[in-house]
Amino acid sequence: DTEVTQTPKHLVMGMTNKKSLKCEQHMGHRAMYWYKQKAKKPPELMFVYSYEKLSINESVPSRFSPECPNSSLLNLHLHALQPEDSALYLCASSPRQGEPYGYTFGSGTRLTVV
Amino acid sequence: AQTVTQSQPEMSVQEAETVTLSCTYDTSESNYYLFWYKQPPSRQMILVIRQEAYKQQNATENRFSVNFQKAAKSFSLKISDSQLGDTAMYFCVFMGNNDMRFGAGTRLTVKP
Repeated sequence: DTEVTQTPKHLVMGMTNKKSLKCEQHMGHRAMYWYKQKAKKPPELMFVYSYEKLSINESVPSRFSPECPNSSLLNLHLHALQPEDSALYLCASSPRQGEPYGYTFGSGTRLTVV
Repeated sequence: AQTVTQSQPEMSVQEAETVTLSCTYDTSESNYYLFWYKQPPSRQMILVIRQEAYKQQNATENRFSVNFQKAAKSFSLKISDSQLGDTAMYFCVFMGNNDMRFGAGTRLTVKP
């Protein structure tokens, strides 16, 4: 299995809702990442997990809450989002944090906040 | 901090022709890696090619090759025999001691 699987592919949520994005990989990678990508822009790093521990938080608002329950799974819990949070959320993984072999990306979750 | 600059927001090329996408970067690190990723309309980011800064030889992957000029901090991507499936957003990416940093991207359209 050489894929990163993200669910759901599309999500529409209200500003008072609570939802979660899920990312899964079975490649034995020990680093996992969340990126946010606005339309026609490059991805922006949000969080990095290394060996299931939060390694980097790029000053992301607390309405985004990451969780890494095991080495294969990465969640992003969403609460009280704003319309400007609408974006494509990409998950990626790599064998180790900082290993220069490139990341494997998922296809993303298209999030719309209404 | 390192920055990655892609000066061509959009480009187009005829099918079967060759096109070159430009990228420059700024860093004080001596050991780093450079990548080109493509993102087609399907949204998934796909690794196209990878270059180690300590290697002078330019990387090639089938129809894709790079022109890596370390002193000039330049890393361009050449696509030969362009195909309709090459239509995508292309990102130049720098990786040093920390995580990956993306350029703004070049939207490439291959025309039949």
